[in-house]
Amino acid sequence: QITLKESGPTLVKPTQTLTLTCTFSGFSLSTSGVGVGWLRQPPGKAPEWLALIYWDDAKRFSPSLKTRLTITKDTSKNQVVLLMTNMDPVDTATYYCAHTSWTNYFDPWGQGTLVTVSS
Amino acid sequence: EVVLTQSPATLSLSPGERATVSCRASQSVSRYLAWYQQKPGQAPRLLIYDASNRATGIPARFSGSGSGTDFTLTISSLEPEDFAVYYCQQRSNWLSFGGGTKVEIK
Repeated sequence: QITLKESGPTLVKPTQTLTLTCTFSGFSLSTSGVGVGWLRQPPGKAPEWLALIYWDDAKRFSPSLKTRLTITKDTSKNQVVLLMTNMDPVDTATYYCAHTSWTNYFDPWGQGTLVTVSS
Repeated sequence: EVVLTQSPATLSLSPGERATVSCRASQSVSRYLAWYQQKPGQAPRLLIYDASNRATGIPARFSGSGSGTDFTLTISSLEPEDFAVYYCQQRSNWLSFGGGTKVEIK
C-alpha cells in the first residue's frame, strides 16, 4: 500500500522560503519509472501542478513557478523535499505530494498540508 | 500551456441518475487525460487515466471517453458517495487541471 504524508510549517511570512517534506512508504524512488510530484490547491480552486522528481533524478517544474522552486529526493529516507522561495499571500493553499510514474498521473495523493502566507 | 475547460460548473442530479461531465482542451492532448474525484476535506483520487482506463479499484459505473480536445466522464447511475467535485488533468503538454465540476444532490 502506497502512502504519502506532507510536513512543514502551517504559517509563513511573505518573502520567506517554504520548505515542505514528503515522506512516503510502499514504493521506492530508486525503482525505474517512479516519481513524486508536488501540487497545490488554493481554497475553493482547482489543483495546480508544481514540480516532479523521478527515480533517475530528472526534474520538471511548472513553467510559471520554476524560478522559485527546488525539488530534491533522499532515497534512503524515502523523502522528497520542495522549496518555494519568495512566498506571497497568493501562495496560500493546501500543498500535496503524490506518487506518479512516467505517465505523470497522480495516484495516490497525500492528505495535504495547509500553508497560509501572512505577516 | 494547455487550458482545460470543464462544463458544467455544477451538475444537480438525484441518486440513480446519469452524470455527464465534459472537459475541453485548448489544443489536442491525444488521449493523455485523466479524471479525479475530490470529496470535501480529502485529496483528489484518480478515477480514469489515458481517457478511458479505470484506475485500480474504481467501480465500473465510472467511464471515460474522448480524444483530441473533447473528453467526457460518465457516471452511469449516481450513488450517494459519488456527489463530489471532479477534475480533469492533461499530461500531453506539461501538466494542467480543469477548473472542476461539482456534482451535487438535487
